[in-house]
Amino acid sequence: AQTVTQSQPEMSVQEAETVTLSCTYDTSENNYYLFWYKQPPSRQMILVIRQEAYKQQNATENRFSVNFQKAAKSFSLKISDSQLGDTAMYFCALGGGADGLTFGKGTHLIIQP
Amino acid sequence: GAVVSQHPSWVICKSGTSVKIECRSLDFQATTMFWYRQFPKQSLMLMATSNEGSKATYEQGVEKDKFLINHASLTLSTLTVTSAHPEDSSFYICSALPGTRGDTQYFGPGTRLTVL
Repeated sequence: AQTVTQSQPEMSVQEAETVTLSCTYDTSENNYYLFWYKQPPSRQMILVIRQEAYKQQNATENRFSVNFQKAAKSFSLKISDSQLGDTAMYFCALGGGADGLTFGKGTHLIIQP
Repeated sequence: GAVVSQHPSWVICKSGTSVKIECRSLDFQATTMFWYRQFPKQSLMLMATSNEGSKATYEQGVEKDKFLINHASLTLSTLTVTSAHPEDSSFYICSALPGTRGDTQYFGPGTRLTVL
């Protein structure tokens, strides 16, 4: 069975600061994908960033980047220059392709003005 | 692109009735769609995988006779909660897998079901 662990239930930072959200996972698959999704109060799930496990290069999307450590099964999300609109629940997810996703419990990120 | 809609966005029903939730991919075809359930302040749990033209695959512990899934076309999957009870009250979210980029799911806005 696949598992995803997010050990930070809530984090709070000041606007413009950099914040890192942690995620560890476990899977017996060799080929898989990792995702970070954002869920604002509207509850719409929004894709933040994705990483293909067979790629060593860390994915980046504007202010969002990941630190993917395959051997350690770690997949952290770094948000640079945080903005008020980044306030949301952030879920780390494992799976992809024709498989459903396994989600972590989420981290509630609060950006303070 | 990659927009997924759900209808209705919220529904209230009486205990014992059935409720149908629709999930549509608006600008792409989706051979595979997924249904998730999210309780308040909790994470998403995969309920079932829906493939066009075939029977859905349910996760362990999900009652397939209670949660009927039909994926009749490449753009539509439906979830019917049969004989709903208060414990079925939850937020139901669907996602769809585009055929051209088959590794990333795009999510619908969710449906809040309240069973009285």
